[in-house]
Amino acid sequence: GENVEQHPSTLSVQEGDSAVIKCTYSDSASNYFPWYKQELGKRPQLIIDIRSNVGEKKDQRIAVTLNKTAKHFSLHITETQPEDSAVYFCAAVLTGFQKLVFGTGTRLLVSP
Amino acid sequence: EPEVTQTPSHQVTQMGQEVILRCVPISNHLYFYWYRQILGQKVEFLVSFYNNEISEKSEIFDDQFSVERPDGSNFTLKIRSTKLEDSAMYFCATHNQGGHTEAFFGQGTRLTVV
Repeated sequence: GENVEQHPSTLSVQEGDSAVIKCTYSDSASNYFPWYKQELGKRPQLIIDIRSNVGEKKDQRIAVTLNKTAKHFSLHITETQPEDSAVYFCAAVLTGFQKLVFGTGTRLLVSP
Repeated sequence: EPEVTQTPSHQVTQMGQEVILRCVPISNHLYFYWYRQILGQKVEFLVSFYNNEISEKSEIFDDQFSVERPDGSNFTLKIRSTKLEDSAMYFCATHNQGGHTEAFFGQGTRLTVV
């Protein structure tokens, strides 16, 4: 089955800095890669996703890149703000299956 | 904006008791899931449900777990005899076109087994 690894587990940045979170997946047949933001005690919320036929996608301060050859994908947050502080999870969906396989999460702390 | 709703938000139960967690999916969604998140850990897949039957289940989803859609609207997760290690946040999620589209998560049910 699919396995998703995520690094780093914690990330502290100053407000205005950029933050990068990286994930690797094991099964080359995975073809959908969403990123979720989870605030304490709340549900995961989709912030951006990318499909395997695209190498990069951007939405304002957030971007995701995908390298299918290396089987890794990354989340980039620019001009970080304190409200970006949360746990971020990457996930992968394997072709032919429907479930999300989540990474272990990255706790992002943005200090003012 | 339509959303997935779950009840209860928090349930405390004694070990060995049965619990039923309820989810109301978004009305035109066809794919339903339960996920579990132990405090401080990642979200883990439990089971997927489509066309009134289980389409996939994880190793966690053993004989103590069951799902059903009894009335065409609610989607329930039953744990027959709860264990301490079942304590977690349980999230229902739904898609309208399968796993390769956005999953909409409910707000979760925090289950505490004492």
